[in-house]
Amino acid sequence: DGGITQSPKYLFRKEGQNVTLSCEQNLNHDAMYWYRQDPGQGLRLIYYSQIVNDFQKGDIAEGYSVSREKKESFPLTVTSAQKNPTAFYLCASRERGGNTIYFGEGSWLTVV
Amino acid sequence: QQQVKQSPQSLIVQKGGISIINCAYENTAFDYFPWYQQFPGKGPALLIAIRPDVSEKKEGRFTISFNKSAKQFSLHIMDSQPGDSATYFCAARVKSSGSARQLTFGSGTQLTVLP
Repeated sequence: DGGITQSPKYLFRKEGQNVTLSCEQNLNHDAMYWYRQDPGQGLRLIYYSQIVNDFQKGDIAEGYSVSREKKESFPLTVTSAQKNPTAFYLCASRERGGNTIYFGEGSWLTVV
Repeated sequence: QQQVKQSPQSLIVQKGGISIINCAYENTAFDYFPWYQQFPGKGPALLIAIRPDVSEKKEGRFTISFNKSAKQFSLHIMDSQPGDSATYFCAARVKSSGSARQLTFGSGTQLTVLP
């Protein structure tokens, strides 16, 4: 089935540790996105990428990093510099010229 | 800063009733207005979308009403069902010059439809 796969679904991290969230899509979409969701705040853009080896900061990029070495993959690293990392993280993609953004099922990150 | 303001934050409706969620925006460069539906623990999914050249779009029980002069748009769910219970997000996108920028999302409305 075509879609966006995020892993892991649930992740616990100790303070001071970096953690990487995986996002893989087999939709052949050019653009990929990472959003953070907190209760009552909607979805906020962390990073986005239009093509391989290129990515742009979104509205809340501090404390996060990404890479886009392959078209189908867009991993997000939550670094220890992110002060409040506990959240629901959503990966998304969009085909070139398309309007619809398609989301994965999300990853829950909890800092303990 | 581009913003989309959404209200109410939560909504409780009886089965068979009409659910109405409202959004307002300031940026006149927005050219695409989708609504997303999100069930608990899942990613949002596109529900319905509208462009500013039409005032209304209907798909089944879901209707978007768009008021360009007031810079407002709303989602109406007719004959609301318990299965419609979810969080709904409005969004808007700036007219693109080729950028893959993104959607600006409202803060979400948690809808509960009572049986």
